[in-house]
Amino acid sequence: SQTIHQWPATLVQPVGSPLSLECTVEGTSNPNLYWYRQAAGRGLQLLFYSVGIGQISSEVPQNLSASRPQDRQFILSSKKLLLSDSGFYLCAWSEGNYGYTFGSGTRLTVV
Amino acid sequence: GQNIDQPTEMTATEGAIVQINCTYQTSGFNGLFWYQQHAGEAPTFLSYNVLDGLEEKGRFSSFLSRSKGYSYLLLKELQMKDSASYLCAVKPTGGYQKVTFGIGTKLQVIP
Repeated sequence: SQTIHQWPATLVQPVGSPLSLECTVEGTSNPNLYWYRQAAGRGLQLLFYSVGIGQISSEVPQNLSASRPQDRQFILSSKKLLLSDSGFYLCAWSEGNYGYTFGSGTRLTVV
Repeated sequence: GQNIDQPTEMTATEGAIVQINCTYQTSGFNGLFWYQQHAGEAPTFLSYNVLDGLEEKGRFSSFLSRSKGYSYLLLKELQMKDSASYLCAVKPTGGYQKVTFGIGTKLQVIP
């Protein structure tokens, strides 16, 4: 069966510090992968998606970036965090009519 | 673009039935998802409606009317553990990267 791992679960980072969140998927090959952010009181916002190694599409302009160095690995990064980057970050993959399967999420607080 | 509306909050009594509505405007409709999200956790898949009508899965049912741009999630025999946010998400033609999530309906089940 397919599983998706995301870490860390919580993170408190100072403004201006770098960020690296990692997501890995097991039990499937060549998955479509996504990074979402959920800010307080707001819906899920798609940040990046990837259909294959090295293929990244960005949905919103921001100071975040994403990379897919391996088929089942998706990384979200930032060189310098802003206060507005705080939120709940979710990695997901999609398959057919089963919608998204989400990772457990990372609660990021920028202080 | 897409627009999704659902009530922000609802309260219902344990053992009762509750209906959570979702209206949407979209071009090129492909399907509608419902997700359940407990506080601090990732969303989990509940249902996916493509055709008009009611689909039942145990205590949960989901209804879709494409001509009216309308869906609802029906929860029967409410349990305390059903207290969560329920997210409506619309998938237009063009792939999962175009899925739009509603802000979610926070349901509180009271004794």
